[in-house]
Amino acid sequence: EVQLVESGGGLVQPGRSLRLSCAASGFTFDDYAMHWVRQAPGKGLEWVSGISWNSGSIGYADSVKGRFTISRDNAKNSLYLQMNSLRAEDTALYYCAKDKDFGVVTIIDWGQGTLVTVSS
Amino acid sequence: DIVMTQTPLSSPVTLGQPASISCRSSQSLVHSDGNTYLSWLQQRPGQPPRLLIYKISNRFSGVPDRFSGSGAGTDFTLKISRVEAEDVGVYYCMQATQFPLTFGGGTKVEIK
Repeated sequence: EVQLVESGGGLVQPGRSLRLSCAASGFTFDDYAMHWVRQAPGKGLEWVSGISWNSGSIGYADSVKGRFTISRDNAKNSLYLQMNSLRAEDTALYYCAKDKDFGVVTIIDWGQGTLVTVSS
Repeated sequence: DIVMTQTPLSSPVTLGQPASISCRSSQSLVHSDGNTYLSWLQQRPGQPPRLLIYKISNRFSGVPDRFSGSGAGTDFTLKISRVEAEDVGVYYCMQATQFPLTFGGGTKVEIK
């Protein structure tokens, strides 16, 4: 059974940094692209970033480009999101998500999310 | 960036009746590899999203056959042939043809 468990969320002041982690199990991690998707309270889904199986292809939403960095450690079956210069509008539930393929095709599995609140 | 526009915003449906959701992209979703990476997801209240349909019309594992997808280029449709109570939730289209991936704004399906 695929399991994606996010951690690292919490309350942080504007301008500060936070690092999210996602522990993956139940599948061969380095066979799949991975993503971070967020959902602000009461709002729709927003894709944040994605990374191919070997980190050779990486993409970001315009809203986070230059502030957030996605990475993966295939030896540790883990996905990360380094978030710098956080803003109030980054407040959201952040989901770790698994693609259907080693490149980007679609998202087939989701974690339960970790809540990030940016507030002074 | 590709903008995904869904209609309607809300769809009140009688149990057992069909429902249809449209999704239009601001540019063609045909990838250079010939595939069209358009998906449909369902999000029930309080839960993470769930994949229903990928590459326009491919039903994902475990998805009931009352869900179907169609379309091409920039215009796509999700149809529910007979709405059941468990279908209540918000439905999103999503394109993965190019970075950044983008979602439609969502369509809320509710029972009349």
